[in-house]
Parts: sequence; structure tokens; C-alpha cells
Amino acid sequence: SQQGEEDPQALSIQEGENATMNCSYKTSINNLQWYRQNSGRGLVHLILIRSNEREKHSGRLRVTLDTSKKSSSLLITASRAADTASYFCATDENNFNKFYFGSGTKLNVKP
Amino acid sequence: DTAVSQTPKYLVTQMGNDKSIKCEQNLGHDTMYWYKQDSKKFLKIMFSYNNKELIINETVPNRFSPKSPDKAHLNLHINSLELGDSAVYFCASSLGQNEKLFFGSGTQLSVL
Repeated sequence: SQQGEEDPQALSIQEGENATMNCSYKTSINNLQWYRQNSGRGLVHLILIRSNEREKHSGRLRVTLDTSKKSSSLLITASRAADTASYFCATDENNFNKFYFGSGTKLNVKP
Repeated sequence: DTAVSQTPKYLVTQMGNDKSIKCEQNLGHDTMYWYKQDSKKFLKIMFSYNNKELIINETVPNRFSPKSPDKAHLNLHINSLELGDSAVYFCASSLGQNEKLFFGSGTQLSVL
């Protein structure tokens, strides 16, 4: 079954730096979403990008989607210690009401 | 007000027992889900209901039985618990299909 796979598995940066996480998937999609999970908590939706969109912004977040390469990236600019969390991408299967997640990228932002 | 709430937050039980996890959403959403997150943080869909009707059942053992008494509630009952069932179970809801998910805070199940 199709899954979003995040890369890298872990990322450690200094506060103020940018963080880039990547997601690859296997089949065609309607949309791709990014979520954040703080330790011991549920996932929180960050941004949704549809298959006909190439880039989307939300505050310090920038998401790109390349459907020809079946990949997406999440960029967090000017990172803060509070951005420390795991980040997941979720992809749907075309015409199916399923979202597939990977195991996430664990981001550590050092103050 | 909590949008998606699930209880209990922690559940510790012996192998072979039967347990239930409850989930309620006050967002007026039509679709609800159960996801399982394993120890490696991999999140996998188990079930999805749309307006109380089961629409997704992802090769989950039939020891797991979801029940949706109304579209605001989706409970998960697990029979004959096994060690491998230990995980964090998340309930989620969405306004419609292929829309963003709102997650509960999870139920950490430990089977001893």
C-alpha cells in the first residue's frame, strides 16, 4: 500500500536556522498534507497541498509538491525551540478516503 | 472545548482481556477514523466511518471491532488482547473525505 516516507528520520539544528524535510510517495494523489506531533500528543494539521498546486505558504512554513517526482518538501524558516517535534506527511490514494503516513522526521531545534 | 476527545489516555491490561477506547468529536464532522501508531512512530490507518457507515477496514484482525452509535462517536473494542496490540491509538475526524484530519490526544495501550 502507498505510504508517505519522510527523510531524514532525524534532524538537529540551531535556533534561527531553516529546517527542510522531504516526503516521497508511490502512487498518484489528490492531496498531500503535513502534520506535526509533539511528544506524547496527537497530530496537528499544518498544511494541505492539492495535486494541482506546486507551492504553498503558511507563516514560516513553505511546502512544495512535485508530482512528477512524487515528492514534497516542508521548509520551516527561522526555526524556534518550540518547533521541536516530529513532522509527518500524509498522502491519500486517488479516489480513496485513506491517508497514509510515514514514520516522520524528528526535528530537534537547539536553543 | 476539546475538538476530538478520546478516553482513556492510558490503558494497562493483561493479555487476553477485552478493552474499549471511546472517541467523541464536537466538530460536526461526517468522517471518523482510528489510527495505530507503533513504537517506531509509524502511523497506520485501521478504520474509517462516514456518517456511521464503515468505509475502510484496513486488514485489521477481527478482534478489533469499531462501533459508531452516531456520527459524533466512534468507539474501538478490542477482544483477547495480545502483546503486539501495545501501541498508541489515535482517533481522528474530518469534515469530508480527503480533507484535513483532526486528531485526539491518543490512548497509550500497554498489554502485559
